[in-house]
Order: sequence, then structure tokens, then C-alpha cells
Amino acid sequence: GENVEQHPSTLSVQEGDSAVIKCTYSDSASNYFPWYKQELGKGPQLIIDIRSNVGEKKDQRIAVTLNKTAKHFSLHITETQPEDSAVYFCAANENQGAQKLVFGQGTRLTINP
Amino acid sequence: GAGVSQSPSNKVTEKGKDVELRCDPISGHTALYWYRQSLGQGLEFLIYFQGNSAPDKSGLPSDRFSAERTGGSVSTLTIQRTQQEDSAVYLCASSIYTGQNTEAFFGQGTRLTVV
Repeated sequence: GENVEQHPSTLSVQEGDSAVIKCTYSDSASNYFPWYKQELGKGPQLIIDIRSNVGEKKDQRIAVTLNKTAKHFSLHITETQPEDSAVYFCAANENQGAQKLVFGQGTRLTINP
Repeated sequence: GAGVSQSPSNKVTEKGKDVELRCDPISGHTALYWYRQSLGQGLEFLIYFQGNSAPDKSGLPSDRFSAERTGGSVSTLTIQRTQQEDSAVYLCASSIYTGQNTEAFFGQGTRLTVV
């Protein structure tokens, strides 16, 4: 089955700097890669997703890149703000078209003012 | 409702007791998922429903865990003879099924503590 590894487990950056979180996946048949943000006491919320037919997707300060050959994808947050502090999870579907998502272990991002 | 609703939000139970966790998905969402999140860990898949059937229940940890969904809406996750290692946050999510992956909306979870 699919295995997703996420790094780093914790990340601390100065407000205004950029943050990058990286994930690798094992199943080359996976074709859907969402990123979720989880704030304390809340359920995860989708912030951006990418499908395997594109290499990059941007939404304002957030971007995701996908390298299918290397089987890794990354989340980039630019101009970080205190409200970006949260736990971020990457995920991949178990195989093409599968509804089951396999999640990484999460990255706790702290933005220092 | 506006989002996925889970109840109770917190549950403390004694070891050996049975518990039922409820999930009300977003109206019209045919796909429903249960995940488990242990302290400081990622999300562990438990089971997936499409309508009332469960094509993938591969993540249920043992036969003490079961889930059902009725009327294509509400789902109940039942844990029998609870153990301390069952303590975790149980998250439910729902999505519209279109043949390819769409956004899964999560509830706030039920925090289960087995004492």
C-alpha cells in the first residue's frame, strides 16, 4: 500500500519568511495529493491540492509542486503570517482514483513575530 | 448543516465498555470516511463508505471496531470492549463522489479517552 513520509516534523520561521514542507510517496499509481491545515482543537481543512497531470499549483501565498518521477511533492508558503501557525499534513490517494487518503505524520509550523 | 458534525465532542469511558461515535456528513455527500488521530500523530485511515456500503474497511484495527451508515447519511463508529490504546481523536470526513478525488471536509472530531 501507499506510504507517505513528511519532513520536517517541526518548523519555525520568522514572520515574513518562507516555509517549505516536503513529502515523499511510494505508490507511483497515486494521482491526487492534498495538503491539510489543522489548527488546535479543529479538524483538518484543505488548503490546496494537486493532481498528477500538473507540476505546480499556486493559490495566493501557497504553492504546491509535484515531481512524479522522484515521487515527492512540497508545500511552499511565502510571506508567512502568525495565522499560518498550525500543523500541516500532506496526503496521497492510495492508488489512482482511490478515495482512501494516506497521510503524512504532520509538520508543526510556528511563525515567530 | 453547514459542515460535518460529530458527537460527542469528548467521551471518557472505562476500559471494557462499549462506545458509539456519531458522524453527520454534509448533506448530499455520498462518500464518508473515518480516521483516527493519536496524540501528535498523523491521520490513520479506518473505513470508507460510498453510500451505505463500505468498499474499504481495511483500516479497522480489530474486530472490536465496526461502523455502519444508514440512509446514505449518518454514520456510527462502534468500539466494543474499549482498551486504553483506543484513546485518540476520531475524525469523520465526507466528500462528493464524482469518480475522482474531491475535497474531503472534516468534522472537529471526537476525543475518546479510555481510563
